Amino acid sequence: KNQVEQSPQSLIILEGKNCTLQCNYTVSPFSNLRWYKQDTGRGPVSLTIMTFSENTKSNGRYTATLDADTKQSSLHITASQLSDSASYICVVSARGKLTFGQGTILTVHP
Amino acid sequence: DTGVSQDPRHKITKRGQNVTFRCDPISEHNRLYWYRQTLGQGPEFLTYFQNEAQLEKSRLLSDRFSAERPKGSFSTLEIQRTEQGDSAMYLCASSLEITFGTDNQPQHFGDGTRLSIL
Repeated sequence: KNQVEQSPQSLIILEGKNCTLQCNYTVSPFSNLRWYKQDTGRGPVSLTIMTFSENTKSNGRYTATLDADTKQSSLHITASQLSDSASYICVVSARGKLTFGQGTILTVHP
Repeated sequence: DTGVSQDPRHKITKRGQNVTFRCDPISEHNRLYWYRQTLGQGPEFLTYFQNEAQLEKSRLLSDRFSAERPKGSFSTLEIQRTEQGDSAMYLCASSLEITFGTDNQPQHFGDGTRLSIL
């Protein structure tokens, strides 16, 4: 069964600190891996998309890594801001079908 | 606003009633997707269209669910004889894929329709 597992389930950090979210997947075949940010009550917003050949991709303060051999990805957030409080969802695409993780809920405190 | 729009944002209805949701994608996008999301979970794929053709349906899409995209622009998702378990957020997304069969472009999501079944 294709699965995407994320850890931790939730995370609380202080404003200005860095954090790293993890994603493990068993989806096969693999087209690309995506990270989305979802604010409460809103739709997800794309942060990064990485194909098999890419092992790192940045979008501002967000940096995603991918190890296709071990089927692991991480999302690193630097210098966190209060507006980073949201759910971060790892998504793996296989031939156009997206499998979503359950998300990591990040809370940034002042 | 040129993003994906969904209507209504909230729908409360009694069990057994039919409901219909509308999604207006970004105008030049050829693909349109429907997802369902329950509290604390990631979205689950329901179905997607390439222009007006419905190319894939999830096993989650029971015979009470039907989706259309008649002119390759907006789409509707209808749920007949609603049940308690249908309560969820229904998300629509669109993307522009240049090459048929590929999936390398970001999907742009609307803010969803939250359905509550009484």
